[in-house]
Amino acid sequence: AQSVTQLDSQVPVFEEAPVELRCNYSSSVSVYLFWYVQYPNQGLQLLLKYLSGSTLVESINGFEAEFNKSQTSFHLRKPSVHISDTAEYFCAVSDLGTSGTYKYIFGTGTRLKVLA
Amino acid sequence: GAGVSQSPRYKVAKRGQDVALRCDPISGHVSLFWYQQALGQGPEFLTYFQNEAQLDKSGLPSDRFFAERPEGSVSTLKIQRTQQEDSAVYLCASSLGTVGTNYGYTFGSGTRLTVV
Repeated sequence: AQSVTQLDSQVPVFEEAPVELRCNYSSSVSVYLFWYVQYPNQGLQLLLKYLSGSTLVESINGFEAEFNKSQTSFHLRKPSVHISDTAEYFCAVSDLGTSGTYKYIFGTGTRLKVLA
Repeated sequence: GAGVSQSPRYKVAKRGQDVALRCDPISGHVSLFWYQQALGQGPEFLTYFQNEAQLDKSGLPSDRFFAERPEGSVSTLKIQRTQQEDSAVYLCASSLGTVGTNYGYTFGSGTRLTVV
């Protein structure tokens, strides 16, 4: 079974500074990878996903992630963060369940706190 | 509706009490998932429905947990004889396709269950 590791439970960073949130997954077979964001008292929102093709994927709000098959990583980066980026970020990998449907395996999350 | 709706938003139950959590998926979404998110953890898969059929219940932690989706739309997660370890946020997600990955999931805001 797949597993996802997010090594950093909390990442404090000053506003307008760059940030990288790390994610490693367990398998080198073909996978689908995702980043979700969770704002306080809200549900998970899809930030970006890698299914195939270009290894660099981008979101509409300036985040990007690069799929690295050799390092089994899918780190999330943003060159300049805003206060509004403060949230919990979850990395997820798809896993083919017994029903033949892909279900998510989530990491434990990284809490990004942007400081003024 | 426009999004996935879950009710109640918060539920406090006395240990041993039965609870029922409701999920209204996006209209027309075939796939429906339940996840459990314990404090400080990532969401963990509980069960999956394709229309009214429960195709995967491998994540249900015990026989006290039961889920149904009788008409292929609204789903209910029932927990019998609640225990303190059941305290968590229960997330529902729906997806347009039967192979959910390429369509993505839409998550609800969750139900926070506290067992006292």
